[in-house]
Amino acid sequence: AQSVSQHNHHVILSEAASLELGCNYSYGGTVNLFWYVQYPGQHLQLLLKYFSGDPLVKGIKGFEAEFIKSKFSFNLRKPSVQWSDTAEYFCAVKPSGGNTPLVFGKGTRLSVIA
Amino acid sequence: DTGVSQDPRHKITKRGQNVTFRCDPISEHNRLYWYRQTLGQGPEFLTYFQNEAQLEKSRLLSDRFSAERPKGSFSTLEIQRTEQGDSAMYLCASSLIGGGADTQYFGPGTRLTVL
Repeated sequence: AQSVSQHNHHVILSEAASLELGCNYSYGGTVNLFWYVQYPGQHLQLLLKYFSGDPLVKGIKGFEAEFIKSKFSFNLRKPSVQWSDTAEYFCAVKPSGGNTPLVFGKGTRLSVIA
Repeated sequence: DTGVSQDPRHKITKRGQNVTFRCDPISEHNRLYWYRQTLGQGPEFLTYFQNEAQLEKSRLLSDRFSAERPKGSFSTLEIQRTEQGDSAMYLCASSLIGGGADTQYFGPGTRLTVL
């Protein structure tokens, strides 16, 4: 069965700091990868996704993620965070082309302080 | 707004009561998923439908849980004889299968509190 590990439970950054959130998955085949964000009081929103092609994926609000197949990783990055990026971030994976649901990590809570 | 909608947003019930939640997917989406999310955890898969057919159920979905999608549009999730351990956020997501993509869009969730 697939699993997703998000190693950082809670990250606290100052505004303008750079962000990198780790995500590792366990599955030997081809995967689709996603990052979702949940702002306080709001529902899960898709931040970015990787299906195939360029392993560097750009999403909304200046976020990007890099798929490194050899490391089974899909880390999320942003060069300069803002207070409005305070949210919970979830990494998710599913085998590509399969009739299987998303498997989510436990999430990383990001707090950005002024 | 044509996103996924869920009703009710909050439900407080007493242990032993039955509850039913509704999910309206994005129109024309043929897949509909139910997930459960508890504090400090990511969403966990419960079940999903493709059109009106329920294709997979998680082992998390005990016999007290039942889901339907009678006309391939909205879906209901019923929990019978609720227990305190059922307290969670119940999330619905929908997607359109085709072209190799399966991107799920989530609704706001129904927060269930069982007293």
